[in-house]
Amino acid sequence: DTEVTQTPKHLVMGMTNKKSLKCEQHMGHRAMYWYKQKAKKPPELMFVYSYEKLSINESVPSRFSPECPNSSLLNLHLHALQPEDSALYLCASSQGTRSYEQYFGPGTRLTVT
Amino acid sequence: GEDVEQSLFLSVREGDSSVINCTYTDSSSTYLYWYKQEPGAGLQLLTYIFSNMDMKQDQRLTVLLNKKDKHLSLRIADTQTGDSAIYFCAETQDYGGSQGNLIFGKGTKLSVKP
Repeated sequence: DTEVTQTPKHLVMGMTNKKSLKCEQHMGHRAMYWYKQKAKKPPELMFVYSYEKLSINESVPSRFSPECPNSSLLNLHLHALQPEDSALYLCASSQGTRSYEQYFGPGTRLTVT
Repeated sequence: GEDVEQSLFLSVREGDSSVINCTYTDSSSTYLYWYKQEPGAGLQLLTYIFSNMDMKQDQRLTVLLNKKDKHLSLRIADTQTGDSAIYFCAETQDYGGSQGNLIFGKGTKLSVKP
């Protein structure tokens, strides 16, 4: 099983809402990632979790709050977002610290109104 | 600094070969990758090559690496309409046993005409 799943596929939220994006993998991978991808742009790294600990935060605003409840799950909690935060949010995972292959999920298309 | 450059568009006819090119600036790159993204979907890892290799072949895909010129190419033989997608070149560096972040190019949109 080389699948990374993400829910929901689409999300529309207002600027005052609180919502969460979910990501799951059952490959035994110990590193998980959140990326943001705007239209016609490459993915931009947001956060990296390694062995369930946050190891990289690429200066992401605090309205995005990641959480890794266990080695298979990764959440991204959203609060007070701005319209410019509308994007495709991609989750990825890799085996561990020496990881040449990142596997991506299908993404959540987020629209902030 | 790190920079990965790709041409933005490529159009080929079905059955022809496609060659997508990429250049990178960081000579300490250790792994170079090709990802495919179909419309509305996530990224699919197609193949990767270690920087001490010149070539890697996997079925219809051939990756060529010219480390001296920092040039990477992806050749798709017998291109099919299902190959239409955006192809991202990416690199990482080895930091003492850990892989660095993926640095992506802007992506090449491949259009395959029947």
